[in-house]
Amino acid sequence: AQTVTQSQPEMSVQEAETVTLSCTYDTSESDYYLFWYKQPPSRQMILVIRQEAYKQQNATENRFSVNFQKAAKSFSLKISDSQLGDAAMYFCASSTGGQNFVFGPGTRLSVLP
Amino acid sequence: NAGVTQTPKFRVLKTGQSMTLLCAQDMNHEYMYWYRQDPGMGLRLIHYSVGEGTTAKGEVPDGYNVSRLKKQNFLLGLESAAPSQTSVYFCASNVRAGAQLDRTDTQYFGPGTRLTVL
Repeated sequence: AQTVTQSQPEMSVQEAETVTLSCTYDTSESDYYLFWYKQPPSRQMILVIRQEAYKQQNATENRFSVNFQKAAKSFSLKISDSQLGDAAMYFCASSTGGQNFVFGPGTRLSVLP
Repeated sequence: NAGVTQTPKFRVLKTGQSMTLLCAQDMNHEYMYWYRQDPGMGLRLIHYSVGEGTTAKGEVPDGYNVSRLKKQNFLLGLESAAPSQTSVYFCASNVRAGAQLDRTDTQYFGPGTRLTVL
């Protein structure tokens, strides 16, 4: 069985600063994928970034990057140059294929002007 | 492409009433899912379908039924609504038809339905 844990229910960051959201996971599979989804007040779930477990290189998408520590089963999200539009709930998720998607409880990020 | 759509967006029911939530996707996805989202608990899988005519139970299936009569549609039914079913419901889909099962295939979500049961 997979589990995903996000230990920070809430975080805040000053505009233009950098923030890191934590995520740990557990799976018995050797092949899996990890995701960060953003949920703004509109409720829409938006994919931010994904990481293939077999890749050592950390994924990056513009201002978003991950720190993937496979041995520690850690998958943190770094947001650089934070913007007001980054304020949202962020969900970490893992997948071992198809329907085997598991989400963490989420971290609410506030961006302070 | 509309992607994944859900109707209705909001609904208020009285205890014991029934209703059906409709999810539609136009991406030719094989797999479809229904989740519920409750504060502090992330998304929990209710039921899912890996193809037309097939359904399976997820983590929290009690009190819900589903049907996938057409590939593009996935219906979630509540036969006798209870206050514990007050939640936001999300539909999602992934895995394009004809593609080898691709574990990178991201789940695409609908906009959600906020259901309140009084």
